[in-house]
Parts: sequence; C-alpha cells; structure tokens
Amino acid sequence: NAGVTQTPKFRILKIGQSMTLQCTQDMNHNYMYWYRQDPGMGLKLIYYSVGAGITDKGEVPNGYNVSRSTTEDFPLRLELAAPSQTSVYFCASSYSGGQGTDTQYFGPGTRLTVL
Amino acid sequence: AQSVSQHNHHVILSEAASLELGCNYSYGGTVNLFWYVQYPGQHLQLLLKYFSGDPLVKGIKGFEAEFIKSKFSFNLRKPSVQWSDTAEYFCAVSPGKSTFGDGTTLTVKP
Repeated sequence: NAGVTQTPKFRILKIGQSMTLQCTQDMNHNYMYWYRQDPGMGLKLIYYSVGAGITDKGEVPNGYNVSRSTTEDFPLRLELAAPSQTSVYFCASSYSGGQGTDTQYFGPGTRLTVL
Repeated sequence: AQSVSQHNHHVILSEAASLELGCNYSYGGTVNLFWYVQYPGQHLQLLLKYFSGDPLVKGIKGFEAEFIKSKFSFNLRKPSVQWSDTAEYFCAVSPGKSTFGDGTTLTVKP
C-alpha cells in the first residue's frame, strides 16, 4: 500500500493564479481531510469528506474548494491564490467505524508559496 | 462538539530527563484518544492511541499515555527522552472527525 500520496511536493504560485493539490489514498478509507499548517500554528482543518460525494467545511475553508467523486481521491482547489495561502498542506484519511477506529494517516505534504 | 487542550506550547528538556505532556479533552460520550508525532520536516504519524481497556497504553519509542476518565485527560509520558524525540506532539480526540490540539513543540538538548 502506498498509503496517502500528495502531489506536487512543492509549488510556487503568483498572486491570482489557481491550482489543484492532488490527494489519493489506497486504504479504502471513508474519511478524508485537508489541513494547512503554518509555522508554530498547529493544524487547521480546511475541508473534510465522510464519503464519496459528501464534503463539508472545516475551520478555514475560505479561498478553497474540494470535491470527492471517488473514495480514493480528494483534490483541493485554490482559486485566486493569495500570499495568506502560503503554507504546508497535508491530506489525511481515516476509516471511521466506531470505537477503535479514526486513526488518521497523513500524506507527505505540499509546500506552497504564493508570491 | 469535542475540543482538545494541550497545556504546554513549548517544552525544552535535556537528554535523559522525564517527559510529561498534558492533554485534556471535552466530549460527553465514548472517545478514541490519540497522540501523533511530527518530526522536523515530516508529516504527522501515530504515536499511540486509546479506545478501551487498560487506560495505560504504550506506543512506539518508549512513549506511553494514561487515560484518566474522571479528569478528561490523556497525558503523554516518557521516562527518559532522547535528542531524537525532538518533534511536535499533537493530542487528538474522536469519534468521527478527529479534533486536534494546538500541538506541543518538544526540544531535547543533547
């Protein structure tokens, strides 16, 4: 199993550009998540999904969009990139099925700089 | 809604010192509790978890945590830290979508 994979690893965007961060998991997990992590600021949840076709906002959804058309893929779209979106982005997945579940598995991250 | 509070933002220890990181949560029902570790430049990975049974759980690299239901706490401990334990540590609680604490940065001086 590859686990959770993310592409690209690094990206530099100009203000106003758009891009899609890709995330794929091969563990048949029902839940998937997107976080951003700024230095010393912990994890902030952007969006999450509890299954294909279902997405919901997290703490900091503004400026981002997601879709989940399959169990495996959960792309994050940035429209009109702004310097405030400079961050490290982590995708994660988990199987949620009651007690004893919910362990999150994280991808390697995408380091995004907006100039 | 569940919430998690980690008491220490930054802890600095010398090698061989003992470690205890505090974590308190609020949730009215049955919980799953987690500690994740993030080494410098890497992604988060699971250190240990509790969901039932013995409230003292052991994880990788000599870490352990104790679930005290009456105190809504799940503190992380290690008797003797090493330089390689330098990392950020996150406590999390579920069911369903986990809620993470803000993290504690541990620096171990050689």
